[in-house]
Amino acid sequence: EPEVTQTPSHQVTQMGQEVILRCVPISNHLYFYWYRQILGQKVEFLVSFYNNEISEKSEIFDDQFSVERPDGSNFTLKIRSTKLEDSAMYFCASSGQGVSPLHFGNGTRLTVT
Amino acid sequence: EDQVTQSPEALRLQEGESSSLNCSYTVSGLRGLFWYRQDPGKGPEFLFTLYSAGEEKEKERLKATLTKKESFLHITAPKPEDSATYLCAGYSSASKIIFGSGTRLSIRP
Repeated sequence: EPEVTQTPSHQVTQMGQEVILRCVPISNHLYFYWYRQILGQKVEFLVSFYNNEISEKSEIFDDQFSVERPDGSNFTLKIRSTKLEDSAMYFCASSGQGVSPLHFGNGTRLTVT
Repeated sequence: EDQVTQSPEALRLQEGESSSLNCSYTVSGLRGLFWYRQDPGKGPEFLFTLYSAGEEKEKERLKATLTKKESFLHITAPKPEDSATYLCAGYSSASKIIFGSGTRLSIRP
């Protein structure tokens, strides 16, 4: 069964550094998402992406965040200058057309020190 | 404002003890209700989609039902491997997906 893959599984970075989290969505999906989950808390929406542009973003997704689909398969989340509070699990998800469930990857655990 | 509320926050059951998890929603023009299972350190795993009130879906020991205000995930004779966090999410008429906070289910052998 096709799946969403994310790399790396764990990323440790120093405060102020830039990180890029990578995702390969399911190949025939058209909608792409990033969510984050701080340890023990709920899954929080960051951004959705369709037709090569952001379709919606949350208040969390400020100017420090950006997303890109650099080619036909990858979908990336960049954090320009990481803060301690960015430490969380970041999940990528994709979905097909219509009322279609999101399929999630297994996440990247980001630790900012 | 669209909202999805899950209860209880945590539920501890004995193996074999059936129960239900609740997902209440106020989602404008609900077009679908999703259930997910999340294991620690993993991404949510899709379980079911329910599209309209009265619909039911089953998978092994799990059965999901939907009314106009809430959805239930019934767990029949659970086993320890059913221990996980269960999430529900509503899909609105504006194509937004709103997640609840989840129910942490723990099944004791």
